[in-house]
Amino acid sequence: DTEVTQTPKHLVMGMTNKKSLKCEQHMGHRAMYWYKQKAKKPPELMFVYSYEKLSINESVPSRFSPECPNSSLLNLHLHALQPEDSALYLCASRNHGGRLDGGAFFGQGTRLTVV
Amino acid sequence: QKEVEQNSGPLSVPEGAIASLNCTYSDRGSQSFFWYRQYSGKSPELIMFIYSNGDKEDGRFTAQLNKASQYVSLLIRDSQPSDSATYLCAVTGRGSTLGRLYFGRGTQLTVWP
Repeated sequence: DTEVTQTPKHLVMGMTNKKSLKCEQHMGHRAMYWYKQKAKKPPELMFVYSYEKLSINESVPSRFSPECPNSSLLNLHLHALQPEDSALYLCASRNHGGRLDGGAFFGQGTRLTVV
Repeated sequence: QKEVEQNSGPLSVPEGAIASLNCTYSDRGSQSFFWYRQYSGKSPELIMFIYSNGDKEDGRFTAQLNKASQYVSLLIRDSQPSDSATYLCAVTGRGSTLGRLYFGRGTQLTVWP
């Protein structure tokens, strides 16, 4: 069983809709990530939260809005998306950098379709 | 400039053979290196990590790191059909903070019975 839980597993939304993706981890990890993955492509980094603060925004369009309510939760708010935003959205958590770096653990993803 | 490059594949090996997956990276400041396995339609699963030059073995998997050559590899011994997946190499960005984790494009491995 994954220790990073994402909801919903699947989401279909219209271009005028507002929706949110949710991610939860109970491993006590201090960093949480949003990645976007298109078919047959590697995961593409979107945002990093470190100790509940946004530390990295990879020039993501403002129609994607991340939020970290506490150390266990990460949301991605979606508004006015385009069909090309359809992808698998992956949340990951990670504990330490440097010599204690155990890597990032992914949730099962949310398959998003924008119509 | 791409941060992480993987041998393009796809790679096809018979059951029981050794599969060799390769990865090069551009940032000499990278400190941690990871291999993920991703089955079609699923999320990436961490299978190996390595920080120091040399080899690290875990069951049928061996990761090898050569920082001077900026090269990391994964060997899968006694390959099984269940190993058929895309293998992603991931590398940390410069520094040791909880920052960027970059992925290569992946190598698709097929193990045939």
